[in-house]
Amino acid sequence: RKEVEQDPGPFNVPEGATVAFNCTYSNSASQSFFWYRQDCRKEPKLLMSVYSSGNEDGRFTAQLNRASQYISLLIRDSKLSDSATYLCVVNTDKLIFGTGTRLQVFP
Amino acid sequence: EAQVTQNPRYLITVTGKKLTVTCSQNMNHEYMSWYRQDPGLGLRQIYYSMNVEVTDKGDVPEGYKVSRKEKRNFPLILESPSPNQTSLYFCASSLYGTGGEETQYFGPGTRLLVL
Repeated sequence: RKEVEQDPGPFNVPEGATVAFNCTYSNSASQSFFWYRQDCRKEPKLLMSVYSSGNEDGRFTAQLNRASQYISLLIRDSKLSDSATYLCVVNTDKLIFGTGTRLQVFP
Repeated sequence: EAQVTQNPRYLITVTGKKLTVTCSQNMNHEYMSWYRQDPGLGLRQIYYSMNVEVTDKGDVPEGYKVSRKEKRNFPLILESPSPNQTSLYFCASSLYGTGGEETQYFGPGTRLLVL
């Protein structure tokens, strides 16, 4: 079993749609959690950290469920510019990157 | 502008010909690392450095060397490249490491093809 698992997608959604990505991790000792965004052929960039209480940044909401070892990212009112690959990242004693979920937003 | 730079951005080489990919950061970060990204495998860490003259192996160090003689620079050396090292390489840096809420800042990537 992979340490961090994500649905690779692609998720094809129209502008304005709400889309949710999920991620599961295997190590219950994991300490911190992140979502990174990676545009095609470019470097990953931090989108947001994920907290147990849930956190929101504009149209983006991240949730962590430690009991189920599950992380989610919700994007509301999708924009064309949201098209990218979203990487789930889990920190145990090192960073473990998921393989990413690709999102394509169409007009 | 705060950034991580890598050179070259694209490289085609032949098996066995030594090459170096440079990485430099201007944020006075102590922690630097190298990753490779391959389809279906995600980013995997090759080597990391906690500070000057302190380096350690990541998950996939075979076939690679690094050095950290200065805080800002962390070159990746392939002494004898092989085709299985064809990949997209990213250098990254952060203030102190990977703990807590540390943000990793990635360079733009180096796309390497070994023939």
